[in-house]
Amino acid sequence: EAGVVQSPRYKIIEKKQPVAFWCNPISGHNTLYWYRQNLGQGPELLIRYENEEAVDDSQLPKDRFSAERLKGVDSTLKIQPAELGDSAVYLCASSKRGGTSRDGELFFGEGSRLTVL
Amino acid sequence: LAKTTQPISMDSYEGQEVNITCSHNNIATNDYITWYQQFPSQGPRFIIQGYKTKVTNEVASLFIPADRKSSTLSLPRVSLSDTAVYYCLVGDKGGSYIPTFGRGTSLIVHP
Repeated sequence: EAGVVQSPRYKIIEKKQPVAFWCNPISGHNTLYWYRQNLGQGPELLIRYENEEAVDDSQLPKDRFSAERLKGVDSTLKIQPAELGDSAVYLCASSKRGGTSRDGELFFGEGSRLTVL
Repeated sequence: LAKTTQPISMDSYEGQEVNITCSHNNIATNDYITWYQQFPSQGPRFIIQGYKTKVTNEVASLFIPADRKSSTLSLPRVSLSDTAVYYCLVGDKGGSYIPTFGRGTSLIVHP
């Protein structure tokens, strides 16, 4: 079974430029998460989707960040314009709810490392 | 108010047993305890999950006392490849669960 796929793995841009990250979750997983991880810190949730619906986006800086999950499968996270402080690793995760002992287990992609110069 | 508290870092040596304790004084009745492991340049990976008493799998054991206000992840006979950051999460597995990560515990295993 293929895991969560993210692209690009690395991205270097200058400040004020736009950037987009793409995520393909595990097939059949209805919940998708975008996290941001700064160096030395744990992942911080940006947005969570249940199918196509964004059910928790309180931590998403909406002035410059946007996300979408069309058809409840792939998702894109966009930053426009990027700022120096946006340099971080952007992690996508998916999960499937159902009565197993590991219910709600998150499966993460390898992340997209963003460097803003 | 942080949901969990863990040591920032730990050191161990190959072959030793490592125990990482997580405090979660405000754990709710419906909350489960889940541990993740993260290697550099990778996303976190599920290790183990439990509700009470003891859970064991091929990777680790999880000990949860009766009051459930803490839990201990036990890694038997660690190797260099166990060097990673370990995160403890608590939450209800229901629809409203938002997996929240703290800073985790950075474990370094020495030769």
